[in-house]
Amino acid sequence: QVQLVESGGGVVQPGRSLRLSCAASGFTFSNFDMHWVRQAPGKGLEWVTLISYDGTNKYYADSVKGRFTISRDNSKNTLYLQMNSLRVEDTAVYFCARSPQFDYWGQGTQVIVSS
Amino acid sequence: QSALTQPPSASGSPGQSVTISCTGTTSDVGGYIYVSWYQQHPGKAPKLMIYEVTKRPSGVPDRFSGSKSGNTASLTVSGLQAEDEADYYCGSYAGSNNYVFGTGTKVTVL
Repeated sequence: QVQLVESGGGVVQPGRSLRLSCAASGFTFSNFDMHWVRQAPGKGLEWVTLISYDGTNKYYADSVKGRFTISRDNSKNTLYLQMNSLRVEDTAVYFCARSPQFDYWGQGTQVIVSS
Repeated sequence: QSALTQPPSASGSPGQSVTISCTGTTSDVGGYIYVSWYQQHPGKAPKLMIYEVTKRPSGVPDRFSGSKSGNTASLTVSGLQAEDEADYYCGSYAGSNNYVFGTGTKVTVL
């Protein structure tokens, strides 16, 4: 069965960096584009970024453009999100999800940006 | 890209129907068939309930149905059951490989 498992979240100070991972199993990872979506405490879902199946094309929400970088290693069936220059407003649960329909989601990993 | 507009709450008694709206613009909901609905229980990951406006993934009960008219999409849950109590989010492709979600609706089964 399809499984997505995020990791790497934690508490970090503003301005610092964090890298999230999403380990995929149960499907041919290299065939699918992948998303990161976040959800701030008590708030709705916010699309963050998308990467094409082969890692060639990457797209970002304006709120993270220039600070976050999505990448993938198809040999390891793993998706990454490098988050730099973190802000308090980046505090959220971060989910990875399979494209195109967001049909499978991980359980999420919490990121808290606080001084 | 602004979030799609959903009512904050909706409710119904068991067995009744509830319909949730999702209003966007011609740049998202009105411009594409790629409108989806997600169910999220507290502390859990979202679950895809409807995709491409009207399609149901395997395993989703046919009590859940979707539609769209102009810039507004709708999700109807018929024959409400206790387990349907959750937050519901719409989502839409917004062009240029961007995506947008709705503000969310809390459905309460009375």
